[in-house]
Amino acid sequence: SSELTQDPAVSVALGQTVRITCQGDSLRSYYASWYQQKPGQAPVLVIYGKNNRPSGIPDRFSGSSSGNTASLTITGAQAEDEADYYCNSRDSSGNHHVVFGGGTKLTVL
Amino acid sequence: QVQLVQSGAEVKKPGASVKVSCKASGYTFTSYDINWVRQATGQGLEWMGWMNPNSGNTGYAQKFQGRVTMTRNTSISTAYMELSSLRSEDTAVYYCAREIAAPTYYYYGMDVWGQGTTVTVSS
Repeated sequence: SSELTQDPAVSVALGQTVRITCQGDSLRSYYASWYQQKPGQAPVLVIYGKNNRPSGIPDRFSGSSSGNTASLTITGAQAEDEADYYCNSRDSSGNHHVVFGGGTKLTVL
Repeated sequence: QVQLVQSGAEVKKPGASVKVSCKASGYTFTSYDINWVRQATGQGLEWMGWMNPNSGNTGYAQKFQGRVTMTRNTSISTAYMELSSLRSEDTAVYYCAREIAAPTYYYYGMDVWGQGTTVTVSS
């Protein structure tokens, strides 16, 4: 399968922990990468590989994976974390193709 | 600093073609694959294809096969994405993005994105 499935919307109280999940067959073979996108802006990579953060990404963002499910966890969510989050991985067909999840709208209450 | 700078907004008529450029700076252009991703208003990210700037090798999503062409000019560190036979559904923001170099059989995602190019298809 070349699909990644995400919940359309998730909410979290300010300062609490939230987990955003991504499911797909390709995640059994490849790590997910995660992107944050705010309105009118380009996506920003927040997690890649096993659990790596690019320079400048706060350590409250972390990633994990089990079986066909990858998760992005925000520990102590801040107001500025309100955004759309997309997962992404290589397509499991082995043709170098890439697939994105449908995105999760995170609301910080 | 490492950046990708894209060409400006385009307005095209149905049936026409559009060519978007993506100029890389701050790194060795031929060392990282370039992906193209688009996003219609209010919709999610949609992967279109990739190009290896060193070899020129490309791979396209099945949805765009036959309509998209990705090329590059290494002398000016610029990648191009041309989409033909435009229709209203192609109205979107188009992004180029650099893929993190990863070991074979690994994928690490896209760490540098262009600012996006709005393409509007309207009669």
